[in-house]
Amino acid sequence: TQLLEQSPQFLSIQEGENLTVYCNSSSVFSSLQWYRQEPGEGPVLLVTVVTGGEVKKLKRLTFQFGDARKDSSLHITAAQPGDTGLYLCAGAAGSARQLTFGSGTQLTVLP
Amino acid sequence: EAEVAQSPRYKITEKSQAVAFWCDPISGHATLYWYRQILGQGPELLVQFQDESVVDDSQLPKDRFSAERLKGVDSTLKIQPAELGDSAMYLCASSLQGIYGYTFGSGTRLTVV
Repeated sequence: TQLLEQSPQFLSIQEGENLTVYCNSSSVFSSLQWYRQEPGEGPVLLVTVVTGGEVKKLKRLTFQFGDARKDSSLHITAAQPGDTGLYLCAGAAGSARQLTFGSGTQLTVLP
Repeated sequence: EAEVAQSPRYKITEKSQAVAFWCDPISGHATLYWYRQILGQGPELLVQFQDESVVDDSQLPKDRFSAERLKGVDSTLKIQPAELGDSAMYLCASSLQGIYGYTFGSGTRLTVV
């Protein structure tokens, strides 16, 4: 079983601050995805990273896949209240056709 | 935009009763997943279908849970009897090609009282 640990579990910041969320595992993943989930809704895909060392940017969000493909980070610049939600990382190992999810980081951005 | 449809959105049931959830995946998506999510935690896979066949149900509590996808399209997840610990969000997801294009429905929030 591949375990994904996310940190921090909870994060509350003021609008305009920067933040980084981490996703770590002892397993190697062939790809890793980040999702954002709002209360009462299903997770929505933000990005997929597949290459070790890969960096992807989505407006104020920057995603990085570790060189060894065991970890990933999500950095948000100048957070806004609309960024509030549960951020989930999810990985697939080898040829697996299913995702294993991390425990999530609950982000609250205060106006 | 294509969506994964789930119903009902909310369900309150008494313990020991039976409950069922329905999922209609995006048209053409051969792979369908059922996940369970405890409030504030990440989703955990219950069962994975490829067309009408179960690919992985190793985490499905088979003494009380069952899932079917008879025609390889929509799917039903059933719990009988429901227990207090089953209270959670039940999410359905479908994909066209493995883990790519994973799309979740809005889920069914189950409360067992």
